[in-house]
Amino acid sequence: GAVVSQHPSRVICKSGTSVKIECRSLDFQATTMFWYRQFPKKSLMLMATSNEGSKATYEQGVEKDKFLINHASLTLSTLTVTSAHPEDSSFYICSASTPWAGSTDTQYFGPGTRLTVL
Amino acid sequence: AQTVTQSQPEMSVQEAETVTLSCTYDTSESDYYLFWYKQPPSRQMILVIRQEAYKQQNATENRFSVNFQKAAKSFSLKISDSQLGDAAMYFCAYRSSNDMRFGAGTRLTVKP
Repeated sequence: GAVVSQHPSRVICKSGTSVKIECRSLDFQATTMFWYRQFPKKSLMLMATSNEGSKATYEQGVEKDKFLINHASLTLSTLTVTSAHPEDSSFYICSASTPWAGSTDTQYFGPGTRLTVL
Repeated sequence: AQTVTQSQPEMSVQEAETVTLSCTYDTSESDYYLFWYKQPPSRQMILVIRQEAYKQQNATENRFSVNFQKAAKSFSLKISDSQLGDAAMYFCAYRSSNDMRFGAGTRLTVKP
């Protein structure tokens, strides 16, 4: 159980276009989803936290108008990279968790999406 | 923001031996969780073990155990009987009700 999927796994786009990445919790309801960015051989950098039905909370330095996050249902969150540029090329990982409520709290990670902007 | 520090960028262990990965963290909160995640070359993050801060007993999962020292804000991972499949990046992580942080990671190599 506790499977999280991401789609697409890889995407290549032209500079200036927008790209949408989907994150789905397949067998549980995730009230909270996290979006991370990981550079090669580096740690995960938290970009934003999204709670179902409310606006995402962005980390300092992350442009909310560039990285649009929507968490419309308990099983789906999307990250849209708007007007992508080569510096946005990275590995994007989502995770999903059950509510912050004691011993059941654990994050389950998606397999990641590699974005390459030409 | 809370910080998570992994002071060992790389570690190496002989197959079947034991290795300990270090992690320290900084927080003023009393209610939080600590995790060790493994990231193999596939880059899929895999939960290795978790520890609730309110529990004094160290978590154990088969060959993986932690040494949780709350006062010292230390959370080390011990891997016993290391296997070739344990080779990966290991990340220590901290989560509270309003924060989620990862350490820089430790690359573990297992020598046959």
